[in-house]
Amino acid sequence: QITLKESGPTLVKPTETLTLTCTFSGFSLSTSGVGVGWIRQPPGEALEWLTIIYWDDDRRFSPSLKSRLTITKDTSRNQVVLTMTNMDPVDTATYYCAHMANGPVFGYWGQGTLVTVSS
Amino acid sequence: QTVVTQEPSLTVSPGGTVTLTCASSTGAVTSAYYPNWFQQKPGQTPRPLIYSISNKHSWTPARFSGSLLGGKAALTLSDVQPEDEAEYYCLVYYGGVVVFGGGTKLTVL
Repeated sequence: QITLKESGPTLVKPTETLTLTCTFSGFSLSTSGVGVGWIRQPPGEALEWLTIIYWDDDRRFSPSLKSRLTITKDTSRNQVVLTMTNMDPVDTATYYCAHMANGPVFGYWGQGTLVTVSS
Repeated sequence: QTVVTQEPSLTVSPGGTVTLTCASSTGAVTSAYYPNWFQQKPGQTPRPLIYSISNKHSWTPARFSGSLLGGKAALTLSDVQPEDEAEYYCLVYYGGVVVFGGGTKLTVL
């Protein structure tokens, strides 16, 4: 059974760096074809894909946010960490992590965590 | 910047059939873009419905089907039920980079 859960601060100040952790179970990020991605959704708005890290440590980023994003994995701890620099109130959103299997199949999502950017 | 476009809103009667589409600014959506479809109800996490054009997850109701239609990815709902009222998002995979469509709000009325 695949599960993912996001954790991190619920409130960050403008210009600060956000660090979110996705802790997962039921799969290994060392298995060929597997990835873990991050998606966000501002209140009342559409989903926006941010980044993904693959089993082979390949990383891809949204072109519009690439300069602000870092994604890393800790295979032994079953965790993926997202950092986003220079946070702004427009970055207020629910942040989700999701499992990707070869296909690509985005079949499993975490419950999401709401991050508010405010001074 | 690649843009994926969906109908902003659609309305369908209970028992009816409706098709939602997903277009890419780069041209025709083909099997190489592995489109996925998700359903999201208010306050809930997106629920995966379809992957790689037309493949269903084990939990996807039979009335949902995916296809390619006129250069777009398409999601067809047949025998629409009141509980199908939701926002629907497509996802297009560009060789490792992912783009979501803006979503279609489906009203069942």
